[in-house]
Amino acid sequence: NAGVTQTPKFRVLKTGQSMTLLCAQDMNHEYMYWYRQDPGMGLRLIHYSVGEGTTAKGEVPDGYNVSRLKKQNFLLGLESAAPSQTSVYFCASSLPTAGLYGYTFGSGTRLTVV
Amino acid sequence: SQQGEEDPQALSIQEGENATMNCSYKTSINNLQWYRQNSGRGLVHLILIRSNEREKHSGRLRVTLDTSKKSSSLLITASRAADTASYFCASGNTPLVFGKGTRLSVIA
Repeated sequence: NAGVTQTPKFRVLKTGQSMTLLCAQDMNHEYMYWYRQDPGMGLRLIHYSVGEGTTAKGEVPDGYNVSRLKKQNFLLGLESAAPSQTSVYFCASSLPTAGLYGYTFGSGTRLTVV
Repeated sequence: SQQGEEDPQALSIQEGENATMNCSYKTSINNLQWYRQNSGRGLVHLILIRSNEREKHSGRLRVTLDTSKKSSSLLITASRAADTASYFCASGNTPLVFGKGTRLSVIA
């Protein structure tokens, strides 16, 4: 029943610090995604992956890096956090036919950069 | 930006009333999806309508699609306080493009 699990759920960083957000899914989904959600901006795609070992840039990739070393995990890294990266981050996964079956989302990570 | 737009941005209604939310999208689509987000939680898939469908029902949900206008609407009938959430449309295939959402408040 786990679905998509994100860790941590909350984090406060100082400007310039680095951190990694972990997303794990147990549905054997090929595709995984990282979105950020800001007030009034909806969800914006940061990076995504269509399979183990592959990644691609989304709409707002600057300042972030990702890795997909294992099919079930998708990591989002912030090398040098900035206040503009304060946001709620959501991971999602899907079958290749996301247009038919949709995404499964995690519960989010609330990140504050001070 | 390829993001779609939901309209209105916020909607407040009394319990028992119907709630209608609209979505305009920019991408060409095979299908359009609607998601719900409770406060502080992730999005949950509600319903999908295919591009060759004009209307679809699921329980108290009714979705319409007009591909010529690149628009869709979500109707929630006989709303309940538990329907209070944000609702998003999503278009495209991989990756999906989400709209900015409508915040629905249902007052008991």
